[in-house]
Amino acid sequence: AQSVTQLGSHVSVSEGALVLLRCNYSSSVPPYLFWYVQYPNQGLQLLLKYTTGATLVKGINGFEAEFKKSETSFHLTKPSAHMSDAAEYFCAVINTGTASKLTFGTGTRLQVTL
Amino acid sequence: DSGVTQTPKHLITATGQRVTLRCSPRSGDLSVYWYQQSLDQGLQFLIQYYNGEERAKGNILERFSAQQFPDLHSELNLSSLELGDSALYFCASSPNTNMNTEAFFGQGTRLTVV
Repeated sequence: AQSVTQLGSHVSVSEGALVLLRCNYSSSVPPYLFWYVQYPNQGLQLLLKYTTGATLVKGINGFEAEFKKSETSFHLTKPSAHMSDAAEYFCAVINTGTASKLTFGTGTRLQVTL
Repeated sequence: DSGVTQTPKHLITATGQRVTLRCSPRSGDLSVYWYQQSLDQGLQFLIQYYNGEERAKGNILERFSAQQFPDLHSELNLSSLELGDSALYFCASSPNTNMNTEAFFGQGTRLTVV
């Protein structure tokens, strides 16, 4: 079965610093990979997704992620953090074979400090 | 606004009781997915319905059941409630049978069992 592992349940960065949230996947077939963001008391919002094609994926709010098959990784980055980026971020995977429902990681809470 | 509507937003009930959570999917979406988000289990897939039929089942307890009606709204019924059922319950919808295009999440129903 497919799964994702998010390294670091809490990440703290200064405003303007690089954001790096790590996600590694496990899948026996080529996966579809997603990053979702959850703001306090809100639902989940799609940031970006990788299905096929270009391995560097750009999403909303200046975030991007790179699919690296050799490293089984799909890390999320943003060059310069903003206070409004403080939220919980979830990596998720779907197997292209079954392609039914998302399996989520445990989440990483991003704190942005002045 | 994702277009997915969940009611109620908050629910407080006693142990042993039964509650019903409601979800209206985005216009045109045929699939509805239910997820449970708790501190200890993270985001867990419960069940999926597609056009009125159960499509996939995850870690859903026997005390829980769901259905999707002809107008495509869905209800999640939770009975014999226990303290451990306290969680945020999300509904998501997608146009077809899988989530690999994009799934839209509602804002969730926060259930507190006392």
